[in-house]
Amino acid sequence: ELKVEQNPLFLSMQEGKNYTIYCNYSTTSDRLYWYRQDPGKSLESLFVLLSNGAVKQEGRLMASLDTKARLSTLHITAAVHDLSATYFCAVERYNNNDMRFGAGTRLTVKP
Amino acid sequence: DTGVSQDPRHKITKRGQNVTFRCDPISEHNRLYWYRQTLGQGPEFLTYFQNEAQLEKSRLLSDRFSAERPKGSFSTLEIQRTEQGDSAMYLCASSRSPISYNSPLHFGNGTRLTVT
Repeated sequence: ELKVEQNPLFLSMQEGKNYTIYCNYSTTSDRLYWYRQDPGKSLESLFVLLSNGAVKQEGRLMASLDTKARLSTLHITAAVHDLSATYFCAVERYNNNDMRFGAGTRLTVKP
Repeated sequence: DTGVSQDPRHKITKRGQNVTFRCDPISEHNRLYWYRQTLGQGPEFLTYFQNEAQLEKSRLLSDRFSAERPKGSFSTLEIQRTEQGDSAMYLCASSRSPISYNSPLHFGNGTRLTVT
């Protein structure tokens, strides 16, 4: 059974600092997604990573994928308060076409 | 693109009652998914449709749960004889078939169910 684990589950950081969120998964998959969820809101797609070594960047967020290690990272650079949210990674079950989500990382950026 | 819409946004019901939720996907998306999310957890897969065909159901979907997608457009999720453990946010998502770089899952705002 595909398992997706994120760490840390809670992250409190100061504005301007850098940090990395990790996502490990248990079976072979070539497709990994990062979503953002604000309180009371739905999930917003951030990144789609489709191959080993894929790296995507948008603003202060950068996501990467290592399919051999079954690991994806979401790196936050010079955090700002607007990045406060819960971030989920999700792994596609190839040939099954549904996605399994991690438990999420609740990020709080403090001034 | 009007997005995925779900109705109602909130539902409070007494234990033992039946409830039904509706999801309208993005019009050109032929895949429709139902997920359940409890507080502090990620979404858990329940079931998905391609057009009107229900292709997979999770073990989480007990006999009290049924989902339909008549005519391959909107979908309904019904829970019979609700239990307090059913309290959660029920999320609907849609995508083109198959999920791809250009078509990740697009989520609705969810229906929050509270069973008292």
